Amino acid sequence: DAGITQSPRHKVTETGTPVTLRCHQTENHRYMYWYRQDPGHGLRLIHYSYGVKDTDKGEVSDGYSVSRSKTEDFLLTLESATSSQTSVYFCALGAGELFFGEGSRLTVL
Amino acid sequence: KNEVEQSPQNLTAQEGEFITINCSYSVGISALHWLQQHPGGGIVSLFMLSSGKKKHGRLIATINIQEKHSSLHITASHPRDSAVYICAVVEGAQKLVFGQGTRLTINP
Repeated sequence: DAGITQSPRHKVTETGTPVTLRCHQTENHRYMYWYRQDPGHGLRLIHYSYGVKDTDKGEVSDGYSVSRSKTEDFLLTLESATSSQTSVYFCALGAGELFFGEGSRLTVL
Repeated sequence: KNEVEQSPQNLTAQEGEFITINCSYSVGISALHWLQQHPGGGIVSLFMLSSGKKKHGRLIATINIQEKHSSLHITASHPRDSAVYICAVVEGAQKLVFGQGTRLTINP
């Protein structure tokens, strides 16, 4: 199994607060992804990275930013969380076989 | 943008039955993934296909590139196969478009 860790696994926050989710890998994969999973929508791509400091937007990137300053870490930031960003967030990596993190459940009150 | 449709959305069967889950997509792709998500959330990659057929244990995945269609089959189904099965297609630079998943329940 690929070493991929998400933190925090669960977070409850209030509208307007900043939130950062971290994805850490030990496999030296070039490609890393952030997805959100919502009932009725399946998994949707927020942002992805194809190398250090190389990132691009996905289909639901509004309200989110990312950073990748080193290969092993891909951070997802909600600058000012809203209730519509309540979701389960998955990090994934790989460009052939895929590996997913365990998910981070975020609740914005 | 690719439209990925899975059918059925929900499937309940008895232990031992042969299961088929279908995935169709609208635009040509470079590869297709089948994923499994158990209750509690973890997502596991089952197969990646670009042509033909792959088999792993009781699971078989096929893809027909011309017809833009893939199927996932489970032989001799077991209650531990109960999960959500997700089809995802690869577009462009390793970007995935996901189907909404098929919820499979296998009763003993």
